Amino acid sequence: KNEVEQSPQNLTAQEGEFITINCSYSVGISALHWLQQHPGGGIVSLFMLSSGKKKHGRLIATINIQEKHSSLHITASHPRDSAVYICAVIRAGNQFYFGTGTSLTVIP
Amino acid sequence: DAGVIQSPRHEVTEMGQEVTLRCKPISGHNSLFWYRQTMMRGLELLIYFNNNVPIDDSGMPEDRFSAKMPNASFSTLKIQPSEPRDSAVYFCASRGQAHYGYTFGSGTRLTVV
Repeated sequence: KNEVEQSPQNLTAQEGEFITINCSYSVGISALHWLQQHPGGGIVSLFMLSSGKKKHGRLIATINIQEKHSSLHITASHPRDSAVYICAVIRAGNQFYFGTGTSLTVIP
Repeated sequence: DAGVIQSPRHEVTEMGQEVTLRCKPISGHNSLFWYRQTMMRGLELLIYFNNNVPIDDSGMPEDRFSAKMPNASFSTLKIQPSEPRDSAVYFCASRGQAHYGYTFGSGTRLTVV
């Protein structure tokens, strides 16, 4: 059983579409991360959040602690958003759990 | 700032050899993390340091793996002896204050043949 589940596993969208990637977890956490891994392999930390919502450019991350659920939204998607998006949670005691990632392809 | 610097970028070695991966965190960051990524298991945290002190090494797969952080600007991950199943991409990341996100290095792609 995975402590962190992401959906969908794969997602293809047309340029300009609004995209939502979901992350559900089954353990109590102190924080949740959204990571972006580009086709070349580099990893970028997008957000770290423990409550509410954060926004950076066209990216928005929300978390509902009671429902143990987080979403990553991309507005006006662009081909350069094509990447794997990974959800990771941190428990008290600094245990890390990673989702298996959502592979996003944005078609021009 | 040059970001988190890892070396080498690629390493191919024979089974049984010792492998040392290196990481230079961002200056001023006080937490350093070593991750491993494989197709089968995805990303896994191996070990992390706070202020050069190892805090949690429960992710280190076995005694063949060891990590050190002799000072705030340098860390190593050593595998001895290496095995083909150690083949993976190893990422180093650093973080400043606890409420900020991580900065990842470009990774070291290790192949053990």
